[in-house]
Amino acid sequence: GAVVSQHPSWVICKSGTSVKIECRSLDFQATTMFWYRQFPKQSLMLMATSNEGSKATYEQGVEKDKFLINHASLTLSTLTVTSAHPEDSSFYICSVRMNTEAFFGQGTRLTVV
Amino acid sequence: AQKVTQAQTEISVVEKEDVTLDCVYETRDTTYYLFWYKQPPSGELVFLIRRNSFDEQNEISGRYSWNFQKSTSSFNFTITASQVVDSAVYFCALLTGTASKLTFGTGTRLQVTL
Repeated sequence: GAVVSQHPSWVICKSGTSVKIECRSLDFQATTMFWYRQFPKQSLMLMATSNEGSKATYEQGVEKDKFLINHASLTLSTLTVTSAHPEDSSFYICSVRMNTEAFFGQGTRLTVV
Repeated sequence: AQKVTQAQTEISVVEKEDVTLDCVYETRDTTYYLFWYKQPPSGELVFLIRRNSFDEQNEISGRYSWNFQKSTSSFNFTITASQVVDSAVYFCALLTGTASKLTFGTGTRLQVTL
């Protein structure tokens, strides 16, 4: 299966700053990557689908100007949380799909203070 | 629309007890895939099983077993002789061709105590 590496594992940032999270597919060229957000004790909610070389597709209710996604290569997608606020504190997980199998990164726990 | 329901929010059992986690799904697609994932406190998702809609055979893997019933749209997961290390949140998920998105249930938090 695919190996997905996500970095950083956790980050604490000040309110108003931006944070970048990287998702790398180490052994698989992924034209599509998925970004999920998970609030404490809740399920994983798909935020957006990242498409290599083109714009990401955002789910309803997700602000594309706040959550910037860049998928510049077949092995790297980045999610930037711009002007972060405490309500953006959450667990962010990326995923790569190989046919009908999904492989997930280790997740990034973001805390905005 | 695709939907996954895990009615059990939290389950607490004593070690060595058997426990079944329920999952009910909704989809109009005839081809779909069902998954179970384990999420320990560390947060990463651990893949447990994938089942396609054309394969209703039940599966056993060690202490884990899965019961897929298309007639009731259910894909239940049983842990036999539970252990403390089984404590985690378990998610059932659905992937359909139409949606091409993995839809997760709300998860069941399993607590296994000594």
